[in-house]
Amino acid sequence: GAVVSQHPSWVICKSGTSVKIECRSLDFQATTMFWYRQFPKQSLMLMATSNEGSKATYEQGVEKDKFLINHASLTLSTLTVTSAHPEDSSFYICSASGSGRLADTQYFGPGTRLTVL
Amino acid sequence: GQQVMQIPQYQHVQEGEDFTTYCNSSTTLSNIQWYKQRPGGHPVFLIQLVKSGEVKKQKRLTFQFGEAKKNSSLHITATQTTDVGTYFCAGRGRGADGLTFGKGTHLIIQP
Repeated sequence: GAVVSQHPSWVICKSGTSVKIECRSLDFQATTMFWYRQFPKQSLMLMATSNEGSKATYEQGVEKDKFLINHASLTLSTLTVTSAHPEDSSFYICSASGSGRLADTQYFGPGTRLTVL
Repeated sequence: GQQVMQIPQYQHVQEGEDFTTYCNSSTTLSNIQWYKQRPGGHPVFLIQLVKSGEVKKQKRLTFQFGEAKKNSSLHITATQTTDVGTYFCAGRGRGADGLTFGKGTHLIIQP
């Protein structure tokens, strides 16, 4: 149990376009979802935390107008990278936690590799 | 803000040798978690420690949480090639929603 999927697994886009990444909890209700980015051989950097039905809380230095997060349901959160540029190329990973015994653990999705040309 | 430091960054060991990674937080933590990420994969939850001085074991892996709840360690006994990957600690401060991840320790095993 506690499976999180991400779509797409990789995407290549032109500079200036917007890209939407979906994160779904497949077999549990994700009350909280987290979005991270990870550069090669580096640690996870938390970008934002979102609770279902409310606005995401962004970490310091993360532009909320550039990285739009929507957590419209208990099983889906989306991250939209608007007007993407080459420096936005990275590995984006979401994680989700639920309630009860699922509250203390973050279950990670497989990640989305974004390459901006 | 809260900082979590992890050492060493890289560790090369011969298969069969032991391995330890250490994690230190700038602030007292409510809990600490450990994750493993295989090359090309995503982080996978290993364990959570909550109590001061807590020690937990999973087969060849031993996890410790310091008395002051500011440091933690992961020790692997007799490493195997399947242990290859990056081990991250992640601390949760009091009242914080998200985890602060350490930079990870890359474990490289030479057969």
